[in-house]
Amino acid sequence: DTEVTQTPKHLVMGMTNKKSLKCEQHMGHRAMYWYKQKAKKPPELMFVYSYEKLSINESVPSRFSPECPNSSLLNLHLHALQPEDSALYLCASSREGRLSYEQYFGPGTRLTVT
Amino acid sequence: DAKTTQPTSMDCAEGRAANLPCNHSTISGNEYVYWYRQIHSQGPQYIIHGLKNNETNEMASLIITEDRKSSTLILPHATLRDTAVYYCIVRVAPRSSGDKLTFGTGTRLAVRP
Repeated sequence: DTEVTQTPKHLVMGMTNKKSLKCEQHMGHRAMYWYKQKAKKPPELMFVYSYEKLSINESVPSRFSPECPNSSLLNLHLHALQPEDSALYLCASSREGRLSYEQYFGPGTRLTVT
Repeated sequence: DAKTTQPTSMDCAEGRAANLPCNHSTISGNEYVYWYRQIHSQGPQYIIHGLKNNETNEMASLIITEDRKSSTLILPHATLRDTAVYYCIVRVAPRSSGDKLTFGTGTRLAVRP
């Protein structure tokens, strides 16, 4: 199984809502990633988890809160977002740290903030 | 990580080879060349990577010049399903903290029937 799944596929939320994005993989990967992709732009790295610990935070605003409850799951908790946060949110996973040459991406969650 | 330069768009005929160039003139000796692609409405997909030698897998071939300042991704027999944005990324080997990919603007490849 080389699949990364993401739920939901689409999400519409208001600026006062709290919502969560979920990502799951069963490849035994120990590194997991969140990317943000605006329309017609390349993906931008947000967070990296290595062995369930946050290893990289690309200066992401605190209204985005990642969580890695176990080695297969990655969540992104959203609170008080702005309309400019509307984007495709991509999750990826890879083998442990130094073997992370290939990242496997999920299909993404398309988020609209109204 | 070294900066890359790719053409904004290219096209090729179905069944022909697609040759996608990438310039990375400031590449360092310990930096790899990676290629990913993103088909419309999907997540990016890893294609291939290399350091010095040419590489081939079931998807594509990667040709790196001897001075390593440029490379070419070759899709030997392009199909309509290969229509996508292709990203050339140059970076050092992954670290224990994970693999930090920085995507550029990429090349939009259109395969025509």
